[in-house]
Amino acid sequence: QEQLVESGGGVVQPGRSLRLSCVASGITFSAYGMHWVRQAPGKGLEWVAVIWDDGSKKFYADSVKGRFTISRDNSNNTLYLEMNNLRTEDTAVYYCARDKWEYDHALDPWGQGTLVTVSS
Amino acid sequence: QSVLTQPPSASGTPGQRVTISCSGTTSNIGTNTVTWYQQVSTTTPKVLIYTNNKRPSGVPDRFSGSKSGTSASLAVSGLQPEDEAVYYCAAWDDSLHGPVFGGGTKLTVL
Repeated sequence: QEQLVESGGGVVQPGRSLRLSCVASGITFSAYGMHWVRQAPGKGLEWVAVIWDDGSKKFYADSVKGRFTISRDNSNNTLYLEMNNLRTEDTAVYYCARDKWEYDHALDPWGQGTLVTVSS
Repeated sequence: QSVLTQPPSASGTPGQRVTISCSGTTSNIGTNTVTWYQQVSTTTPKVLIYTNNKRPSGVPDRFSGSKSGTSASLAVSGLQPEDEAVYYCAAWDDSLHGPVFGGGTKLTVL
């Protein structure tokens, strides 16, 4: 069974940092690009970042560029999102998702999400 | 402000056919394929349609997708109460090197 499980969310003050993790199981992790997507409370989906299967390329949404860093450890089937200089507008549920190339870049599956709340 | 444009809401009665539109640009829908996601209540988004009109196994054939130029649409025929959800369109954007999403359409079954 393909599964992604995020962790690391919590309440943090503006300007502080947080690191999210996403552990994959039932997936050949090293064969797929991986994404982070977020969803603010009551809002729609917003893509955050992508990393290529071998980690060679990374791309970010303009809203997080320079503050967030995506990385991966293929030996441990784990995806990370390092978030620095957090802002209140970064408050959201953060999902990790596999880039399923067989589905033309559709994101499948998604993790259950981890909530990040940025508040003083 | 989402990159792809969807109507915020749609509705229909059981058994009816409903369509949801999605409008983009040449750097996303105009060049790449469209995916539709279904998010029921607070659950995780699920792929409903990929590559414009393909359904993953397990998705009922009541759901269908199409694309023309820089626009796409999702059709739900034989509407059922369990179809009540928020539907998002998405497409890879060559400028961003990542996917862009529509704002979501909340489908209500009356």
